[in-house]
Amino acid sequence: NAGVTQTPKFRVLKTGQSMTLLCAQDMNHEYMYWYRQDPGMGLRLIHYSVGEGTTAKGEVPDGYNVSRLKKQNFLLGLESAAPSQTSVYFCASEGIGELFFGEGSRLTVL
Amino acid sequence: KNEVEQSPQNLTAQEGEFITINCSYSVGISALHWLQQHPGGGIVSLFMLSSGKKKHGRLIATINIQEKHSSLHITASHPRDSAVYICAASGGGADGLTFGKGTHLIIQP
Repeated sequence: NAGVTQTPKFRVLKTGQSMTLLCAQDMNHEYMYWYRQDPGMGLRLIHYSVGEGTTAKGEVPDGYNVSRLKKQNFLLGLESAAPSQTSVYFCASEGIGELFFGEGSRLTVL
Repeated sequence: KNEVEQSPQNLTAQEGEFITINCSYSVGISALHWLQQHPGGGIVSLFMLSSGKKKHGRLIATINIQEKHSSLHITASHPRDSAVYICAASGGGADGLTFGKGTHLIIQP
């Protein structure tokens, strides 16, 4: 998935710990998204951004915060991780007629 | 909220067979995406459709806006086509996509 990079790719947390997932794109896209993917539920939107300095809530925003201080970066934060946040997280970046996803970040909360 | 349904959920076929995966949605959309996800892998966008038909190699995607239905076809299927195929509807706003639950395709040699 050239163009969208997610870090880290794997992480194990204990309940209550905090962490940040970073999504970086080099395609000058305005729109960026964070999704989570859970078995049997498909992809669900957590938060999204329509440009630098803007963020908005998606379908399942509780327990997450985001920031888009620079156009190329979209950060997803978990302030106090819970086992229910165990999931695979995907970042996506959208331009006119094109959509790119990152490789995914597998997060386990114990 | 748009509801996106895919069928079948699982499909196993022999190499060389013609494959069809269907997607229906409940509310009018501005575009429909077909995505591919290999096991343990990332997600790749195959097509974005707003009308008609698109073709890329052995893959063909069609959409009928009036019937709120799209299909993804794979001709001369190959084991490397084994993956989960996901359709996703865009309402035209910036609030992301509504996804189907995916079709798990296995092509046996």
